[in-house]
Amino acid sequence: EVQLLESGGGLIQPGGSLRLSCAASGFTFSNYAMTWVRQAPGKGLDWVSSMSGSGGNIYYTDSVKGRFTTSRDNSKNTLFLQMTSLRAEDTAVYYCAKDRVAGSTSPDYFDLWGRGTMVTVSS
Amino acid sequence: EMVMTQSPATLSVSPGDRATLSCRASQTVNSNLAWYQQIVGQTPRLLIYGASTRATGIPARFSGSGSGTEFTLTISSLQSEDFAVYYCQQYNQWPLAFGGGTQVEIK
Repeated sequence: EVQLLESGGGLIQPGGSLRLSCAASGFTFSNYAMTWVRQAPGKGLDWVSSMSGSGGNIYYTDSVKGRFTTSRDNSKNTLFLQMTSLRAEDTAVYYCAKDRVAGSTSPDYFDLWGRGTMVTVSS
Repeated sequence: EMVMTQSPATLSVSPGDRATLSCRASQTVNSNLAWYQQIVGQTPRLLIYGASTRATGIPARFSGSGSGTEFTLTISSLQSEDFAVYYCQQYNQWPLAFGGGTQVEIK
């Protein structure tokens, strides 16, 4: 079955760190760029970061640059998001999403989404 | 930086009626525009890409149009399962950007 499964969310104090994981199955993971998208409670979708299939190209939204690091382990079909210096405004459901086009390093859209993992930043 | 603006924020429609949702980009995105549906409590689902191409399994009542900076998603005859929030997303350039969403609610 083609699916994405996020994990690693939780309650964390401001300034803390958290590492999210996204386990992929049912497709050739290394062929596809992967993306993190977040959604604050009651709000819209917000692009966070994208990484190419090889891991050689990484992009971040300005608000997380220097604080968040995206990585992937293609041998384990897993995408990661290391989050540091967390702020209240980072509170959101974090989704991982698969880019539609195989082998692309260009901006793309998403044809598969995980169910998300909730990150709450609060003291 | 690209800004995507969706209107209206909320659209009240009766079942069986047509719904027309708009998405405007602050700069041209050519036809690099996707639409997603998110039902409450569920994950987003890809509806349209390339501004007008339906994704696999999407019913024909969903159609997209436009290019450049102005785009439209039309639902020709609303079914009960179509009441949801709809988002547009540009993928013409980095950073990627979503619109703020249009909630389609039952009138």
